[in-house]
Amino acid sequence: DVQLVESGRGLVQPGGSLRLSCEASGFIFRAYWMHWVRQVPGKGLVWVSRSDSDGKTTYADFAKGRFTVSRDNAKNTLYLQMNSLRAEDTAVYYCVREQYDKSTNYAQFYDFWGPGTLVAVSS
Amino acid sequence: DIRLTQSPSSLSASVGDRVTISCRASQTINNYLNWYQQKPGKAPQVLIYATDTLQGGVPSRFSGTGSATEFTLTITSLQPEDFATYFCQQTYTPPTTFGQGTRVEIE
Repeated sequence: DVQLVESGRGLVQPGGSLRLSCEASGFIFRAYWMHWVRQVPGKGLVWVSRSDSDGKTTYADFAKGRFTVSRDNAKNTLYLQMNSLRAEDTAVYYCVREQYDKSTNYAQFYDFWGPGTLVAVSS
Repeated sequence: DIRLTQSPSSLSASVGDRVTISCRASQTINNYLNWYQQKPGKAPQVLIYATDTLQGGVPSRFSGTGSATEFTLTITSLQPEDFATYFCQQTYTPPTTFGQGTRVEIE
């Protein structure tokens, strides 16, 4: 079975750093594009970053210059290094697998999500 | 970024009711519109992708329609396990964006 398990939750002071990890199992990790999506409890979903299967990365504007996504295909693990954290970064962070369907013109969607890990930024 | 507006933001319904949730995009997104269900304390789960394709294992009481900028999620005969929050997502133009969510509550 496909499993995604995030770790690295914690309380961090503004300006601090935190690294999240996402350990994947049950599928060929290196073949998939992986994402981080965050959600303030009780609020909506916001895309954070993407790691392509070939190592290319993309970021939401609020994450550029502060967050770095990386992956270790040998360890089946996705990472999110977060620096210069702000109070507004407080959220549950989800590790997500992207899927696409050839029969629907390669429409993309998120077919598996980790349970999420809470990041709280506060003094 | 493409803005997705869901309506209503919340609704109350009874078991057995037919429920319709709308998602309007600020510009055309072809048919690259997905729907997710999220229960309290849990991660979202995909229900429908590419407007109308049911993800494997999702009950057939869920269906999606729409095109261009107007999309709809319909739940026929609401079941107790369907009380949750529903989000739409567009993957037509990066960055992917989500609607603000529609909470379906027990009446």
